[in-house]
Amino acid sequence: SQKIEQNSEALNIQEGKTATLTCNYTNYSPAYLQWYRQDPGRGPVFLLLIRENEKEKRKERLKVTFDTTLKQSLFHITASQPADSATYLCALWMDSSYKLIFGSGTRLLVRP
Amino acid sequence: DVKVTQSSRYLVKRTGEKVFLECVQDMDHENMFWYRQDPGLGLRLIYFSYDVKMKEKGDIPEGYSVSREKKERFSLILESASTNQTSMYLCASRSYEKLFFGSGTQLSVL
Repeated sequence: SQKIEQNSEALNIQEGKTATLTCNYTNYSPAYLQWYRQDPGRGPVFLLLIRENEKEKRKERLKVTFDTTLKQSLFHITASQPADSATYLCALWMDSSYKLIFGSGTRLLVRP
Repeated sequence: DVKVTQSSRYLVKRTGEKVFLECVQDMDHENMFWYRQDPGLGLRLIYFSYDVKMKEKGDIPEGYSVSREKKERFSLILESASTNQTSMYLCASRSYEKLFFGSGTQLSVL
């Protein structure tokens, strides 16, 4: 069956450290993969997109890697801040579909 | 900035009631989506619309219908609300590869 897996346990780190979140998928061949941020009681907000032919993408303190052989994406936040505390969702988009398929998200807590 | 507006943040309804959730976007996007979000299950697609009057079932369409009479508005209808439809409902519109979400409607069915 097709699955997207993100760590269900919260990631708890100290301010200033790098946060690394993982997204694994099985039985998909996505055209691209996206990461969204969601704050409590709000809708997700788009952060970054990486295509299947790209290995790495950066935006300010954010970095995403995409390994189509391992079927895995890593999402890094460097120099993390308490304001980065939120739930982060990965999502896959298949070329043949209108659908964006989401993982269940990982909650990040950054301690001051 | 793209704005996706959902009509209610919180809604409480009784079992058997007909419920309308409204969503409006201001960017002339063709594609619009309705998701529900439940703890541990993530976002699941209920319906999407790729143009006016055009709709497709998502992964969990049972118990729901939709209406897209105008490009900017996409409505989700619960024909006869049930307690298992208590959830956070999120509307989104698409621009190229990105989805823009509304703030969500937390629906409680008692």
